[in-house]
Amino acid sequence: GAGVSQSPRYKVAKRGQDVALRCDPISGHVSLFWYQQALGQGPEFLTYFQNEAQLDKSGLPSDRFFAERPEGSVSTLKIQRTQQEDSAVYLCASSLNLIAGDPDTQYFGPGTRLTVL
Amino acid sequence: KNQVEQSPQSLIILEGKNCTLQCNYTVSPFSNLRWYKQDTGRGPVSLTIMTFSENTKSNGRYTATLDADTKQSSLHITASQLSDSASYICVVSATRTGGSYIPTFGRGTSLIVHP
Repeated sequence: GAGVSQSPRYKVAKRGQDVALRCDPISGHVSLFWYQQALGQGPEFLTYFQNEAQLDKSGLPSDRFFAERPEGSVSTLKIQRTQQEDSAVYLCASSLNLIAGDPDTQYFGPGTRLTVL
Repeated sequence: KNQVEQSPQSLIILEGKNCTLQCNYTVSPFSNLRWYKQDTGRGPVSLTIMTFSENTKSNGRYTATLDADTKQSSLHITASQLSDSASYICVVSATRTGGSYIPTFGRGTSLIVHP
């Protein structure tokens, strides 16, 4: 398809397990964002890539969260030793190129719903 | 701290009626403001985007306004349809040095349209 895809769509993990969430952005999109969306809340920024470079990771809540985009396309968000408070929908968005002053539109994937028991 | 506040938190209207959603922000320096529609279980989809010089933008039955002086925006939905039931999220971006900027999302207004 032509949109942003994410997998898995749903993930149930036991507390303490590691999880890996995948994002396939729209082909050719330079910028890629990860967001965390708790129930009834708006998305909260986690981290941002421009190509393979992680330009901002200020939103990652702890050092248990790690994101990579090694070839500037597919990205993986990894959460180590999951906790119950990590339960949320994790959204990925891509855009052609998000630079200062450029009102580029982000295209969102459907999200991965993570439930930590 | 950059913040985006939306009101009301939730809204129920009858099909065919109009409604207006509000967004106040403190994001600075302002770059642009977007309204997104998020259906349940789906990712947000962009409705409108406005920069500093624009004060109104329409997309079908959706009309967004922006007052950059008072840092307020509204999204007006005309002749609502059942399919308009969704969360509407206001997103404001600031310009940053270094060439990249990070959007600040509001919590959204949950709209329910009843037949």
